Amino acid sequence: KQEVTQIPAALSVPEGENLVLNCSFTDSAIYNLQWFRQDPGKGLTSLLLIQSSQREQTSGRLNASLDKSSGRSTLYIAASQPGDSATYLCAVEGENTGFQKLVFGTGTRLLVSP
Amino acid sequence: DTAVSQTPKYLVTQMGNDKSIKCEQNLGHDTMYWYKQDSKKFLKIMFSYNNKELIINETVPNRFSPKSPDKAHLNLHINSLELGDSAVYFCASSQGRSHGYTFGSGTRLTVV
Repeated sequence: KQEVTQIPAALSVPEGENLVLNCSFTDSAIYNLQWFRQDPGKGLTSLLLIQSSQREQTSGRLNASLDKSSGRSTLYIAASQPGDSATYLCAVEGENTGFQKLVFGTGTRLLVSP
Repeated sequence: DTAVSQTPKYLVTQMGNDKSIKCEQNLGHDTMYWYKQDSKKFLKIMFSYNNKELIINETVPNRFSPKSPDKAHLNLHINSLELGDSAVYFCASSQGRSHGYTFGSGTRLTVV
C-alpha cells in the first residue's frame, strides 16, 4: 500500500528565503508525481506534474525534482513571497492502476512573513 | 469560467438526513473524481468515474452513492448522514494519465 509523507509538516520563513519541501513515498512504482497548493478554504491548484521518466520540472520560481528509485521528491521555492503562504501537497499515481488514482501526502503548511 | 464547480460550498445538516453535492466540469475531461479531506486535512479518493462509468470505489460506506448523468457531471448523494461524515468533499477532473488534475473549490459538510 502506497504511503506518502511530507516533511516538514509546517514551515515559517521570512520573505526572500529559498526553501525546500520534501515528499517521500514507499512504493517506487509510480506513474507520476504532482505538487499542489491549497489555500485556506479553497480547492487545490496544480503546480507541477512530473512523469516517472522525468527528473525535474520547473515553473517560474518553483522547481520540483523526482528521484523515483529512492522514493523522494523535493519542491524548491526560490525567493519566497508572502503570497506563497499555503499548504503544499504532493501526490503520487501508481503504475499499476488502470486509471488515475492519486495518493496524497500529509502536506506542508508554509508561512512566509513579510 | 469556473472549470470545476461544486455546489453547495457549505452544507450544515442534522444526523440522519440525506443530502446531495453537485459537481460540473466544463473542461471536456473524461474522468471525474470525488475526494474527501478529513479534519486532519488528509485527502483520500472516494470514487472515480470515466465516461459515466464507475471505475474506482474505495471502501466507502454504501450510504454514499455517486451518480454521473453525463461525463460533465458527477454528483454525490449521501444517505443517513453521520457525524463522521463531516469533512470537505472535493470534486476533480482529468484527461488521461499524463495530465494533471483540476479540482473544485470543495464543499464543507458539517453534520450536527
